[in-house]
Amino acid sequence: DIQMTQSPSSLSASVGDRVTITCRASQSISSYLNWYQQKPGKAPKLLIYAASSLQSGVPSRFSGSGSGTDFTLTISSLQPEDFATYYCQQSYSTLGTFGQGTKLEIK
Amino acid sequence: QVQLVQSGAEVKKPGASVKVSCKASGYTFTGYYMHWVRQAPGQGLEWMGWINPNSGGTNYAQKFQGRVTMTRDTSISTAYMELSRLRSDDTAVYYCARAIYSGSYRGGMDVWGQGTTVTVSS
Repeated sequence: DIQMTQSPSSLSASVGDRVTITCRASQSISSYLNWYQQKPGKAPKLLIYAASSLQSGVPSRFSGSGSGTDFTLTISSLQPEDFATYYCQQSYSTLGTFGQGTKLEIK
Repeated sequence: QVQLVQSGAEVKKPGASVKVSCKASGYTFTGYYMHWVRQAPGQGLEWMGWINPNSGGTNYAQKFQGRVTMTRDTSISTAYMELSRLRSDDTAVYYCARAIYSGSYRGGMDVWGQGTTVTVSS
């Protein structure tokens, strides 16, 4: 199975900060990498698919990049509603796997 | 609007089985793969498998092989996930989620059900 490793596991930041979360795959997954945001008690929400495509309705301050094994999610200017947990997920393999998550907290 | 509505919370004893339903509306049910994902209390997301509602073909995470069965009823646009031989560590919220690309398991999961809490306790 393809393993997905996110870093950091947690992150403290302030409103207005630029934040980057990384995700590394244990083997090449081309651009089959997706990012989700999850708030407590809610279902995950798709932010980015195919590494860099912004899902409809998602603010443009979210962006994704990367290919092969290394990927990043960037939030250009944190807003109060962005404090949540973020997950990467690969869809290259028939067996989908998620990263362990990155909890983004208010500093 | 496109939505997935899941069945209600379940409480089961160890060794029992649970079957969670996911009713789709607002789109062509047979056109999009359906994934199942679970989340144990305080833990991350865990992918369980997918079903192709058109063919009924399935693919399961190795961890659940032999214990999980994903099926569908196209006449009522509903997908099902059954997990057998339940253990306490199967206590989790179970989600169904639609694959974003028509006819493919690839791509992200763009529409999610509200989640079904399954509690396994003696």
